[in-house]
Amino acid sequence: DQQVKQNSPSLSVQEGRISILNCDYTNSMFDYFLWYKKYPAEGPTFLISISSIKDKNEDGRFTVFLNKSAKHLSLHIVPSQPGDSAVYFCAAWGRGSTLGRLYFGRGTQLTVWP
Amino acid sequence: EAQVTQNPRYLITVTGKKLTVTCSQNMNHEYMSWYRQDPGLGLRQIYYSMNVEVTDKGDVPEGYKVSRKEKRNFPLILESPSPNQTSLYFCASSLVGTGQGGETQYFGPGTRLLVL
Repeated sequence: DQQVKQNSPSLSVQEGRISILNCDYTNSMFDYFLWYKKYPAEGPTFLISISSIKDKNEDGRFTVFLNKSAKHLSLHIVPSQPGDSAVYFCAAWGRGSTLGRLYFGRGTQLTVWP
Repeated sequence: EAQVTQNPRYLITVTGKKLTVTCSQNMNHEYMSWYRQDPGLGLRQIYYSMNVEVTDKGDVPEGYKVSRKEKRNFPLILESPSPNQTSLYFCASSLVGTGQGGETQYFGPGTRLLVL
């Protein structure tokens, strides 16, 4: 049973516009969330994280929003650039009996076109 | 340079022939983990280790073994590989594995395995 879900397998956005990637989770005990970016033939690289005590975290062009009541996160990329084209994974750290587990969504392929 | 290394990067083998994929990190991290990536399924955790001599199962441990005899190394062992283990494998490490303070995992470059 997937505890982190990314329901959009792909997203296509024009350069300069905003990209919004969505992620939902089912376990209310999750309290740290991360976004990773993955290019083909490379390992995932960390992008941005957010703690459950916050509702927003910003790093340059990347902002993550957390809505705890809806168990929903979103990653905003503004402005989008062609180099942002990659697969984006949402992840959540396990707590309690699942401490040490890092749960990933299935990923969203972002394509930014000129 | 801080990094996670995996070897080999590419491997073709036959069903039943034991293999080991090595993983090493130079960041003195307590926590290490293995994942497999399959089309449409994202990253699924195979095994993880919170410390030396401590290992636990992830989502998909069947058919895999691990060992953590020293902090820097975390090999993945396939005793009798089968075609359904054809996949892209990633090793990762992080400071302690609790996720506190926005702890992130650092990933290796991946090992692409084909089992015939």
